[in-house]
Amino acid sequence: EVQLVQSGAEVKKPGDSLKISCQGSGYSFTNFWIGWVRQMPGKGLEWMGIIYLSDSDTRYSPSFQGQVTMSADKSINTAYLQWSSLKASDTAVYYCARLYSSSSNFDYWGQGTQVTVSS
Amino acid sequence: SYELTQPPSVSVSPGQTASITCSGANLGDKYTSWYQQKPGQSPVLVIYQNNKRPSGIPERFSGSSSGNTATLTVSGTQTMDEADYYCQAWYSSVVFGGGTKLTVL
Repeated sequence: EVQLVQSGAEVKKPGDSLKISCQGSGYSFTNFWIGWVRQMPGKGLEWMGIIYLSDSDTRYSPSFQGQVTMSADKSINTAYLQWSSLKASDTAVYYCARLYSSSSNFDYWGQGTQVTVSS
Repeated sequence: SYELTQPPSVSVSPGQTASITCSGANLGDKYTSWYQQKPGQSPVLVIYQNNKRPSGIPERFSGSSSGNTATLTVSGTQTMDEADYYCQAWYSSVVFGGGTKLTVL
């Protein structure tokens, strides 16, 4: 069974750094891209970027380029999303999802990580 | 940048058919996917490659695409289908529509 398990909720202060994770199981992790999607409170889905787990090739949405960093550790089937200096506007739920390349859709999703940034 | 446009809301009576549209430049030339998201839950893929259903998705969900518009159709809508629905396509990168709230009443 394919599963993506994300790290738990975080409460941070503006200016803090943060790294959240997404661990895959039940499939060959390195053969797929993993995407990150932001959902701000009461809003829709926003694509942030994708990372290929085999070689950590990354593609960022222009809206998030330079704002976040995606990385991966294929030895533990885990993808990461990190911030160097959080802002209150980063408060959102962040989802990871597996990209099925041949049809360009996300077929499995993590449970989401709530990130709250407040002073 | 490319955009996908969805109506903010669609209402339907139980047992009736609901149609949700998604418009974008040359969308008919691309694969469109649809996701269902219920409050407090992760999105779930309900249609991929315009009209294919993943395993476990009820047959009442169907999709079509032509020209600049893709359509998600829910036939015999049930109260459990009340949710937000998002279309998504690949325009050299991932693009999501703004989402449509389907209300069953």
